[in-house]
Amino acid sequence: EPEVTQTPSHQVTQMGQEVILRCVPISNHLYFYWYRQILGQKVEFLVSFYNNEISEKSEIFDDQFSVERPDGSNFTLKIRSTKLEDSAMYFCASRKRDHGGEKLFFGSGTQLSVL
Amino acid sequence: DQQVKQNSPSLSVQEGRISILNCDYTNSMFDYFLWYKKYPAEGPTFLISISSIKDKNEDGRFTVFLNKSAKHLSLHIVPSQPGDSAVYFCAAGDYNQGGKLIFGQGTELSVKP
Repeated sequence: EPEVTQTPSHQVTQMGQEVILRCVPISNHLYFYWYRQILGQKVEFLVSFYNNEISEKSEIFDDQFSVERPDGSNFTLKIRSTKLEDSAMYFCASRKRDHGGEKLFFGSGTQLSVL
Repeated sequence: DQQVKQNSPSLSVQEGRISILNCDYTNSMFDYFLWYKKYPAEGPTFLISISSIKDKNEDGRFTVFLNKSAKHLSLHIVPSQPGDSAVYFCAAGDYNQGGKLIFGQGTELSVKP
């Protein structure tokens, strides 16, 4: 069964450094998302992306965050200057466009640790 | 922003019995609801969904019930199996919100043999 893949599975970085989290969504999906889960908390929406542009973003997704789909397969989340509070599990998700495609398919996540 | 709430952080059930996980929401504009299951170090996995125009959807051992007037949904697992032990997230979406899902806090289910 096709799946969303994320790399790396773990990323450790120093505060103030830039990180790029990578995702390969399912190939025939057209909507892409980033979510995050801080330890012990709920899964929170960050951003949605469709047709090569951001369609919606949350308050968490400030100027330090950006997303890109540099080619036909990858979808990346960049954090320009990481903060301690950015430490979380980041999940990429994708979904089809057609009717009934409400469910999101999630990757296994990247555990980001900011020291 | 507590649009979707799961008030029970944990639930323990004996193998073979019924597990009932509950979820409440506040936004009457939600068009559909989903349940996801999550194991440690993995992403959420879709389990079952229900449209806001229905009150029940069943898939094998899993049944989701929706009570719109009470803004409440529940997931029933019958019979429960040890492999069902995981964190269960309720999520809701609105067709006008581009597929964005709002998640509850999760309920950790433990099924004991």
